[in-house]
Amino acid sequence: DAGITQSPRYKITETGRQVTLMCHQTWSHSYMFWYRQDLGHGLRLIYYSAAADITDKGEVPDGYVVSRSKTENFPLTLESATRSQTSVYFCASSEGPDSPLHFGNGTRLTVT
Amino acid sequence: AQSVTQLGSHVSVSEGALVLLRCNYSSSVPPYLFWYVQYPNQGLQLLLKYTTGATLVKGINGFEAEFKKSETSFHLTKPSAHMSDAAEYFCAVGKAAGNKLTFGGGTRVLVKP
Repeated sequence: DAGITQSPRYKITETGRQVTLMCHQTWSHSYMFWYRQDLGHGLRLIYYSAAADITDKGEVPDGYVVSRSKTENFPLTLESATRSQTSVYFCASSEGPDSPLHFGNGTRLTVT
Repeated sequence: AQSVTQLGSHVSVSEGALVLLRCNYSSSVPPYLFWYVQYPNQGLQLLLKYTTGATLVKGINGFEAEFKKSETSFHLTKPSAHMSDAAEYFCAVGKAAGNKLTFGGGTRVLVKP
């Protein structure tokens, strides 16, 4: 199916473990984004990418790593998970600077 | 730097009543403005957007918003609430439509029968 898919949908991990959240889009959109959603904070941008092999930091990048070797994939890695990274993570994509964002359904991550 | 303030984290309206969600922004350049809606356990969906041109913007599901530059506002309205409008609504601002949007904290709408 066309669209943007995030996996897993739910994840529980322990403090200090590495975890990777996956994002895949079938539109060949140039731009991709990772946001985290926390109560009272709305959505905050973690990282974004304007094209394959081009990534840049957003508002809250510390503790996260991204890569984009293929246009359609934009994985987000928590190198050493902390409890403060418990959140709902949304991946989004857009066709270009003048196109709106299309969001995935999110990954709910709990760090114990 | 851009910022977005949504007044009221929760709004309760009766079915058939006016829905008014307030959004004020700050931006150093002419902004792109958006309203997104999030239903439970789903991602955000675009309701409407303002980029240039007409300041009154119509969106999906009967919603509309008006860009008022002098007030730096982009309030969202719907004349008559429906039960299906119960969701969380986010205002966002950006320098471009698909590039690094800044979101407000969200307003959760409850619709009473």
